[in-house]
Amino acid sequence: ETGVTQSPTHLIKTRGQQVTLRCSSQSGHNTVSWYQQALGQGPQFIFQYYREEENGRGNFPPRFSGLQFPNYSSELNVNALELDDSALYLCASSSRQSLNTEAFFGQGTRLTVV
Amino acid sequence: QKEVEQNSGPLSVPEGAIASLNCTYSDQGSQSFFWYRQYSGKSPELIMFIYSNGDKEDGRFTAQLNKASQYVSLLIRDSQPSDSATYLCAVKPNFGNEKLTFGTGTRLTIIP
Repeated sequence: ETGVTQSPTHLIKTRGQQVTLRCSSQSGHNTVSWYQQALGQGPQFIFQYYREEENGRGNFPPRFSGLQFPNYSSELNVNALELDDSALYLCASSSRQSLNTEAFFGQGTRLTVV
Repeated sequence: QKEVEQNSGPLSVPEGAIASLNCTYSDQGSQSFFWYRQYSGKSPELIMFIYSNGDKEDGRFTAQLNKASQYVSLLIRDSQPSDSATYLCAVKPNFGNEKLTFGTGTRLTIIP
């Protein structure tokens, strides 16, 4: 158990719809990062949030957006879903206090777009 | 050139033997290096991290880092069937940036 929880665990959406995924970070952690993992690939960085602001973004279009709340929990929103958005979405919690801190993942949300 | 490269495998190792997993990275400024284990259908689980050149041991696991060669490895001693999983190498660039760049992972199978 990492203390990082994600919801929902599984989700099926139709192409063109919008989806919101949620993440509660581990106690004491102030940074949340989101990753997309396609089948057979390593996780790809989407963006990270620190102190409620986006602090770094990977190569994902603007229809991927997020929020971080004062309690450090976070949401990932994806608009206009496409079939290629089907993947495991991972939230990682870490603490931007020092150089060498570990990131712990939640159990992930499996999104299927049909 | 990919930022983080791993041999995708599959790597098959007899039970009780040493499994050796390798990873190279392209960003010379990278500071921290992580090994995650991922079982099929599950999320990555942190096994070890290392940031200084040399070896770091934790139980049956040893991480090795050579920044001059931009190379990091993971050794698993006395391999068990439960070690069968995909092992992901991840690199963090510098302080203040929590972004992890992952390799594609190496699939390890321990043969009983």
